Amino acid sequence: AQSVTQPDIHITVSEGASLELRCNYSYGATPYLFWYVQSPGQGLQLLLKYFSGDTLVQGIKGFEAEFKRSQSSFNLRKPSVHWSDAAEYFCAVLGSNYKLTFGKGTLLTVNP
Amino acid sequence: DAGVIQSPRHEVTEMGQEVTLRCKPISGHNSLFWYRQTMMRGLELLIYFNNNVPIDDSGMPEDRFSAKMPNASFSTLKIQPSEPRDSAVYFCASSPDSNYGYTFGSGTRLTVV
Repeated sequence: AQSVTQPDIHITVSEGASLELRCNYSYGATPYLFWYVQSPGQGLQLLLKYFSGDTLVQGIKGFEAEFKRSQSSFNLRKPSVHWSDAAEYFCAVLGSNYKLTFGKGTLLTVNP
Repeated sequence: DAGVIQSPRHEVTEMGQEVTLRCKPISGHNSLFWYRQTMMRGLELLIYFNNNVPIDDSGMPEDRFSAKMPNASFSTLKIQPSEPRDSAVYFCASSPDSNYGYTFGSGTRLTVV
């Protein structure tokens, strides 16, 4: 069965600083990978997804993620964080049984 | 496109009562999913429908939980009888294809007292 690990439960960065959120997955075949963001009291919004091809994927709101098969990783990055980016971020992998398995999430706090 | 619509947004009920959560998927999406989110367990898939047919209900915690999708534009998740440990946020999501990532609704926050 597939699984996702997000090692960092909570990250704090200053506004304008760069950001990297870590994600490691476990899946036997070529993974379909996703990053979602959840603001307080809201549903999950898709930031970006990787299916195949270029391993650097661009998403909405200035986010990007890089798929590294050798490291089983799909880390999310943003060069300059805005206060509005404060939210919880979830990495997910789609398995052959069509089940989207999520990590436990990383809560991002942005200091002014 | 109004997105995935869930109702109610909040539900407070007493233990033992029946609770029904509702979901309207995005038109044209043929897959529908119900998830539950709690602090302890994170996001868990409860059930998955494809073309209105339940495909995988292995995540449904107990017989107290049931889900239906009578047509392509409506699904319900019912808990009967409800218990305090059912308190969580329940999300519905839909997808035009199981491989394309899901669009989530805003969720129903259920509190069972």
